[in-house]
Amino acid sequence: DAKTTQPPSMDCAEGRAANLPCNHSTISGNEYVYWYRQIHSQGPQYIIHGLKNNETNEMASLIITEDRKSSTLILPHATLRDTAVYYCIVRVNSGGSNYKLTFGKGTLLTVNP
Amino acid sequence: GAVVSQHPSWVICKSGTSVKIECRSLDFQATTMFWYRQFPKQSLMLMATSNEGSKATYEQGVEKDKFLINHASLTLSTLTVTSAHPEDSSFYICSEAGLSTDTQYFGPGTRLTVL
Repeated sequence: DAKTTQPPSMDCAEGRAANLPCNHSTISGNEYVYWYRQIHSQGPQYIIHGLKNNETNEMASLIITEDRKSSTLILPHATLRDTAVYYCIVRVNSGGSNYKLTFGKGTLLTVNP
Repeated sequence: GAVVSQHPSWVICKSGTSVKIECRSLDFQATTMFWYRQFPKQSLMLMATSNEGSKATYEQGVEKDKFLINHASLTLSTLTVTSAHPEDSSFYICSEAGLSTDTQYFGPGTRLTVL
């Protein structure tokens, strides 16, 4: 799976949008971009994923550049409960062991009151 | 998303004893389950992948005889840490995936402390 690069930490004011960047310049055509987050001492929580089109769900929006070499996760109105480590992961979707995820160090997002 | 539970949520044991951690898929038939561990201030590291009814596939550097994985049904996988030592103290997390979904869902984790 392609490697990703994320800033180690970011701060955001409560109520403002949090924009978390991720670089994946070596991504291949059949690899998806996944975002998970991990609140302290809990298991990772799935947020969103996409292949090439922008995606939105109740939690966040995912913006993928046209060349697919980078993406941005947007939390439109960050709350204190959004403080967590956010992981950007790229991998193929093809069932079985190909489902495994390789976690990097992620970005620690701290939402401040 | 799918709901995954783990039991126990935390456990303290003496060095040399064995500890079993259960991972249950509550609303989903998990054909594949994954076991990760996470040391303090580090990221998750995949230990092994198990498919229902087959032997688990272990990542490089993970001792299969020490970390026994059983995935006998589509809703239950167990990880047994045999002859645990203090260096096995860690946060153990399972996740599940099925053929009908392209997303992996994680359990809440089990904190193991070996004295």
